Amino acid sequence: QKEVEQNSGPLSVPEGAIASLNCTYSDRGSQSFFWYRQYSGKSPELIMFIYSNGDKEDGRFTAQLNKASQYVSLLIRDSQPSDSATYLCAVDTGTASKLTFGTGTRLQVTL
Amino acid sequence: GAVVSQHPSRVICKSGTSVKIECRSLDFQATTMFWYRQFPKQSLMLMATSNEGSKATYEQGVEKDKFLINHASLTLSTLTVTSAHPEDSSFYICSALFGTGYNEQYFGPGTRLTVT
Repeated sequence: QKEVEQNSGPLSVPEGAIASLNCTYSDRGSQSFFWYRQYSGKSPELIMFIYSNGDKEDGRFTAQLNKASQYVSLLIRDSQPSDSATYLCAVDTGTASKLTFGTGTRLQVTL
Repeated sequence: GAVVSQHPSRVICKSGTSVKIECRSLDFQATTMFWYRQFPKQSLMLMATSNEGSKATYEQGVEKDKFLINHASLTLSTLTVTSAHPEDSSFYICSALFGTGYNEQYFGPGTRLTVT
């Protein structure tokens, strides 16, 4: 069973701080890794994806991948109340383009 | 780019009736689409993979005769919930595979189904 693990949270950070969201996965053969944001009652929205070891930056978001440790993270700089949502980590299963999703980490950005 | 729409956004139906949900990729062609279900405060559950021009592939435990999937064109997949019952009430979300080779999926806005 290929698994993706996330801390359910809630992770509470003050406005303007850096939020760090973490995800581990079990399948060493995984190639692509995705971060989705899901607001309550809405569908997931793709924030970014990463497939090479190291960091990938897009605006206030940075994805970090360490394949040796089977670890992927998402950093959100200058956190805003509008960033309050559940963040889903997803991993390419290598089977028919399907993704395995973690259960998500709920982020709360406080004023 | 990579916009996916779903219709209807919300539907209420009586037990025993059927409901059809449409998923469209608006600005790209999607040979593969996926159908998920999400219960309150739970994660996404993949129901099936919809491939244009061929039969859908269902995940274990998902009844193919109850959840009919048709992917007749490169921009449209439909999910029909047949003989719906209250336990089918859920948030149904489709996604479309964006063909860059990295398997990123873009989600539609979802359909909230309530069966009374």
